[in-house]
Amino acid sequence: GAGVSQSPSNKVTEKGKDVELRCDPISGHTALYWYRQSLGQGLEFLIYFQGNSAPDKSGLPSDRFSAERTGGSVSTLTIQRTQQEDSAVYLCASRPPGGRYGYTFGSGTRLTVV
Amino acid sequence: DAKTTQPPSMDCAEGRAANLPCNHSTISGNEYVYWYRQIHSQGPQYIIHGLKNNETNEMASLIITEDRKSSTLILPHATLRDTAVYYCILQNAGNNRKLIWGLGTSLAVNP
Repeated sequence: GAGVSQSPSNKVTEKGKDVELRCDPISGHTALYWYRQSLGQGLEFLIYFQGNSAPDKSGLPSDRFSAERTGGSVSTLTIQRTQQEDSAVYLCASRPPGGRYGYTFGSGTRLTVV
Repeated sequence: DAKTTQPPSMDCAEGRAANLPCNHSTISGNEYVYWYRQIHSQGPQYIIHGLKNNETNEMASLIITEDRKSSTLILPHATLRDTAVYYCILQNAGNNRKLIWGLGTSLAVNP
């Protein structure tokens, strides 16, 4: 596609339920990032995928969070047993190979845990 | 902590130039200066980047000081649609896995 696509755009879930957030990066972009942004805050790094290398999961806040990227393309961020503090906008970004390109971000998924 | 510091907010009159400063005194030799902006309820949008030379594109100009410890993003003729939060971040060409984003500058363009 022309841009990074994220779905759903909005998700309201009950505390304790699991959620899956999806990211479709731009075709050919080997690097994929997940960030989250709480209201009025900057972006918080969660996880990074680069080609076939092992992902950098160092930003995941707890073991309730996991992510995978299948076939080097689509990525899914899963949050198990959601808590109210998980409420945020989850942003996905991708980048072409080579080090000097900017990120292209999706519009994000707004997650609200009630 | 973010490696860049920016004023939390700025105002600019519509049609005038908006000059957004960024300090990055601990920048290393292989780090590029990138600027993004985030309009309310949207994902960040890439604007421009540079290493040491000044850069210009259709959106903005980037002026980097000779010692590379600070930079200025210039929007030459600001419009109301340029109202956004502007982020200055450092990106290493080789390893950028943990980019640290600060709070940026909230630019208000006023009619």
